Amino acid sequence: EVQLVESGGGLVQPGGSLRLSCAASGLTFRNSAMSWVRQAPGKGLEWVSLISGSGDSTYYADSVRGRFTISRDNSKNTLYVLLSSLRAEDTAIYYCAHVDTGTITFDYWGQGALVTVSS
Amino acid sequence: EIVMTQSPATLSVSPGESATLSCRASQSLGTNLAWYQQTPGQAPRLLIFGASSRATGIPARFSGSGSGAEFTLTISSLQSEDFAVYYCQQYTHWPLTFGGGTKVEIK
Repeated sequence: EVQLVESGGGLVQPGGSLRLSCAASGLTFRNSAMSWVRQAPGKGLEWVSLISGSGDSTYYADSVRGRFTISRDNSKNTLYVLLSSLRAEDTAIYYCAHVDTGTITFDYWGQGALVTVSS
Repeated sequence: EIVMTQSPATLSVSPGESATLSCRASQSLGTNLAWYQQTPGQAPRLLIFGASSRATGIPARFSGSGSGAEFTLTISSLQSEDFAVYYCQQYTHWPLTFGGGTKVEIK
């Protein structure tokens, strides 16, 4: 059974930083592209970032490029995202998601980590 | 950026009836379109990929159709667990984008 478990969410001040982690199990992690998708309170889904299985290729939404950094440690089966220069509009539940091989769709999701940006 | 527009925003349906949800893209996607279901407090669940292929474990009452810029998700004989918010997602162009969602509520 595939399991994705996010951690690291919390309250952070505007301009601050936070690192989220996503521990994966039940899949061959090093072969899996992974992604972060977020959802602001009461709003829809917004794709944030994606990283290839090797970590060599990364992609970002325009709204976070230059502020967020996606990375992975295949020896630990863990995905990360470093959130920097945070703004109030970054407040959201951040979901870790496995990218289906052959498409760029999200077939497994974590339960999400809430990030609140407020002073 | 490709803009995904879903309609209607809210659909009121009685249990046992069918529901038809629409998703329109600002550019042609071929068939690179997925549908997700999200119930309150839960993560989204992949329903459809490739515009019409059901994901693993998805009941046959969910069907997708369309190509290019116009897509449809049909849910036949709605069950209680189908009342949820549905999102479409394109994966032809970067950045990946989602529609704003359609809420299917009990009539």
